Amino acid sequence: NAGVTQTPKFRVLKTGQSMTLLCAQDMNHEYMYWYRQDPGMGLRLIHYSVGEGTTAKGEVPDGYNVSRLKKQNFLLGLESAAPSQTSVYFCASSPASPETQYFGPGTRLLVL
Amino acid sequence: AQSVTQLGSHVSVSEGALVLLRCNYSSSVPPYLFWYVQYPNQGLQLLLKYTTGATLVKGINGFEAEFKKSETSFQLTKPSAHMSDAAEYFCAVTAIQGAQKLVFGQGTRLTINP
Repeated sequence: NAGVTQTPKFRVLKTGQSMTLLCAQDMNHEYMYWYRQDPGMGLRLIHYSVGEGTTAKGEVPDGYNVSRLKKQNFLLGLESAAPSQTSVYFCASSPASPETQYFGPGTRLLVL
Repeated sequence: AQSVTQLGSHVSVSEGALVLLRCNYSSSVPPYLFWYVQYPNQGLQLLLKYTTGATLVKGINGFEAEFKKSETSFQLTKPSAHMSDAAEYFCAVTAIQGAQKLVFGQGTRLTINP
């Protein structure tokens, strides 16, 4: 039982490049979330999903897209990376809301 | 709308001393409140949560927190700090009714002095 896993762990991008971050959970949770963590700002919700095939915007959705084609996976895409998207990205899942969210180990993204 | 304010971005205590981390929240509906801990280069891990019922909740690693509705606070304490408690602590709030989103405070970095 791996819990929540994130791929990749670290990535460097040039401005304008695109990439996809993958989140996978093996706990059969309905809800999944993407957060970004920046110093002194805590975690801010980017997008979330309340079930397979659904997505919704969070607090800071601009510049990101998401998809939840399978219940266990939640993908975060950056179509044209900007230096302001340099951050640590965390994925989380929960069985229902507002139950405990289980977090992945994070992905460090540096945009040059 | 909901918000969380953690008082003090850095807290330093001596090993064996009381740990006290402060959190104030704002919510227009009854809240669920959480404390999460983040060790270096790791994801967040739940310490404890308040949903309904008893206002004093116990968590892992000897931590406990008290929900004070009149003060809109959710204060985290541990009677005796261990070196292993050094980490960043986040308070978070969500609404009981219909919301799926956690709103986090900015975090408090706890340092333990030997």
